[in-house]
Amino acid sequence: SQQGEEDPQALSIQEGENATMNCSYKTSINNLQWYRQNSGRGLVHLILIRSNEREKHSGRLRVTLDTSKKSSSLLITASRAADTASYFCATGGSNYQLIWGAGTKLIIKP
Amino acid sequence: ETGVTQTPRHLVMGMTNKKSLKCEQHLGHNAMYWYKQSAKKPLELMFVYSLEERVENNSVPSRFSPECPNSSHLFLHLHTLQPEDSALYLCASSFLVQDTEAFFGQGTRLTVV
Repeated sequence: SQQGEEDPQALSIQEGENATMNCSYKTSINNLQWYRQNSGRGLVHLILIRSNEREKHSGRLRVTLDTSKKSSSLLITASRAADTASYFCATGGSNYQLIWGAGTKLIIKP
Repeated sequence: ETGVTQTPRHLVMGMTNKKSLKCEQHLGHNAMYWYKQSAKKPLELMFVYSLEERVENNSVPSRFSPECPNSSHLFLHLHTLQPEDSALYLCASSFLVQDTEAFFGQGTRLTVV
């Protein structure tokens, strides 16, 4: 069943601009994770934020989590052409399963 | 390289064929997963194995049959598939603890003709 819903479904920006993607979910969570997928390939983990955290940084990535609104955002600063990919959020609950959204397709125009 | 290897990368099979997908992880993880990814849909969890025991089967048709002979290897046996089964099949592994990430293979692009 779908838990995370990413918004927007697709995003196209100029290189150097910032890209923001949002994820909403429905049930309580232990953590929220963001993954990246290059076309037709496997997913790569980017960042995990726990339910008691509000913000986390990793390089050019900034993730926020608002558990009261059941939402998260992923900000990629100073985008590069190589950031072109699909980005997925996944929520982790009390069991071992991750529940996924349908993803945001990000295109960085050179 | 993520430490999870899937073979083959591409597979075309007829509806009457039998084939198998293979996944191998070198990360010492104790849980392995099969996911199905169709266009514009969320990842669908098909099977979960923990310590070689199947712990989850999300109502997957019996034409998909998983096998986990040891903690490093996972197979997905396919028979009498339908065209709607065409998708990217992803294998992943992780430690079976909270707040841990999953590591994915590159996937097998399956086309059923």
